[in-house]
Parts: sequence; structure tokens; C-alpha cells
Amino acid sequence: SQQGEEDPQALSIQEGENATMNCSYKTSINNLQWYRQNSGRGLVHLILIRSNEREKHSGRLRVTLDTSKKSSSLLITASRAADTASYFCATDRTGGGNKLTFGTGTQLKVEL
Amino acid sequence: DTEVTQTPKHLVMGMTNKKSLKCEQHMGHRAMYWYKQKAKKPPELMFVYSYEKLSINESVPSRFSPECPNSSLLNLHLHALQPEDSALYLCASSPGLAGPLRHEQYFGPGTRLTVT
Repeated sequence: SQQGEEDPQALSIQEGENATMNCSYKTSINNLQWYRQNSGRGLVHLILIRSNEREKHSGRLRVTLDTSKKSSSLLITASRAADTASYFCATDRTGGGNKLTFGTGTQLKVEL
Repeated sequence: DTEVTQTPKHLVMGMTNKKSLKCEQHMGHRAMYWYKQKAKKPPELMFVYSYEKLSINESVPSRFSPECPNSSLLNLHLHALQPEDSALYLCASSPGLAGPLRHEQYFGPGTRLTVT
């Protein structure tokens, strides 16, 4: 079963609006990471938040982590058409070896 | 150089062919990974190499054979594949640190494989 479930599966917004994506997971983690993937291409790392952190910012990105609820959210502010992509959360599980387990992903479409 | 390169970009092969996918990084990373991704699905881990040794095999069929000739190179040898093996194959690398100090992974652009 998927370690990470994301919602929504798909999100369509207008340029300039904010986009929020959520990720839930099942086991204890070392860190949680967010990646972006443009259609049919490699993944690009966006942000990493460690298990002892609650919030992290990077440019227009804000990530929160609630380990008690085993959930994370990614907020993209003032979205642009270039933000159109699939977004995946990935968990680095405690005792999980050197591996990431990816969530199901959110397809974001930002329209002009 | 913060790039992971993969060759070829596209590959079409028959079920009786033998081919190889190649991945290279020059960031000094000591962990390298192969993932398989089907359309509209998340990447699925196949193999992890740590310090040039295979550390994780996610029960991948033997028709996929990984190889790590040195710390910069990772190969995936393909033999007698099935049409359902058609997918995007992604390589990634990371510094390879242990436990809570682990870092993000850097992905290559992938090889789009079609098995006919």
C-alpha cells in the first residue's frame, strides 16, 4: 500500500491564486520531501522537512509537518502557469534504509 | 555539477532483446537508485546502491539486472522484458548519509522504455 496518500488528486486554479496540497503517511519518518515533476520528465526536489521541524519556507513554497497526525501540506503562493506539474510527497521512513516512498501525487494545473 | 544524466532518452526494444540503461553523476554521491514510473503513477523504487554495493532490491524480476561499476556510474541491464515493463525509468543519487541526516535525491530526466 502507498506510504503517502495525497489530496487532492487534481487541482485546477487561476494564476495568482494559492495552491494547497496535502499528504498523509502511515509510519514514523526521518524526513518528508516534496518533489515536482513536469510531464514525463525527471523529478525536481523542492523542499525537505525533518521530523523535528514543523514548518519550512522556500521562496513561494511553504511546507508544514504534523507528526502527531502523520500529515504534511505544501502551499504554493501566487501561482504561475509554470507551476503546472505533478507534485509528490515522499517519506524517508525511520529504519527504512536509504529509500524514499512516494505518495500518489497531485496534478496541479495553473491557468492564465 | 549538480546533474544526473541518463542515456538513452528513449528506447524501443523487442522482448528478445538485451539492452542497458546508463546513469551518471559527478556530485560525489555515494547512494544511487533506480525507479520505475508508469503513467500518472508515483515512482516505484527498484534498487538502491550504497557505496557501490546493492543494499536494496525491491523484489524486482531477474530480467532487470543492476550494476554499479564505480561510484559515478549506474547501469540497468534489461533482458527478455515484457510489454508491461514499458515505463519511464528514473535514476537518482543522494549523498548517502545515514539516519535523520539523510538528504534529498537528485533525479535524472529518465529513459522512456517501450517494449514491443
